[in-house]
Amino acid sequence: QQPVQSPQAVILREGEDAVINCSSSKALYSVHWYRQKHGEAPVFLMILLKGGEQKGHEKISASFNEKKQQSSLYLTASQLSYSGTYFCGTDLPGETSGSRLTFGEGTQLTVNP
Amino acid sequence: ETGVTQTPRHLVMGMTNKKSLKCEQHLGHNAMYWYKQSAKKPLELMFVYSLEERVENNSVPSRFSPECPNSSHLFLHLHTLQPEDSALYLCASSPRIGNQPQHFGDGTRLSIL
Repeated sequence: QQPVQSPQAVILREGEDAVINCSSSKALYSVHWYRQKHGEAPVFLMILLKGGEQKGHEKISASFNEKKQQSSLYLTASQLSYSGTYFCGTDLPGETSGSRLTFGEGTQLTVNP
Repeated sequence: ETGVTQTPRHLVMGMTNKKSLKCEQHLGHNAMYWYKQSAKKPLELMFVYSLEERVENNSVPSRFSPECPNSSHLFLHLHTLQPEDSALYLCASSPRIGNQPQHFGDGTRLSIL
């Protein structure tokens, strides 16, 4: 029931791009993205509410494909500060409000100089 | 002062002890959450409170007992815990229930002997 993230880990050189996917086996009404650096609290990135919606946060953007039950997070021209674990969260089964989320296992992103 | 403050940061306790985790938010939010984050596992929602009323108890064992005396404070009372309860316990708040950004505290690292 939890969303599935891919890849599990990715290593980049500074300036390279990456895509992180979040897939669900059930219909999605919203997708929440967070980043957590080692030893720190998760930090909110964005929420996508509609199918096909794209949002951006600095050079980080995301799309939501309702038909495919999938969201993708795009990191362009990556910076060292982008390193961390990225989590997507979706509604628990039976929920559509975004109040109760189930999270994927996370994608560990490492950006090297 | 940080938005969401959790105390203590670290806690070591025996299986027969009783302790409490505290969370305080200074953001004027109306919703508060408890999450469990174990090594190699996704963030796991435990409890959700909206305006001091519990709206979710995500099949959490009764040895975990939440308390929300007002919209700024949230406690997690612990008793007779098991070794598998060792984890990082994160508190979060959001302006209200629904598709809202959640602001996380730094967590309490709990170790059960």
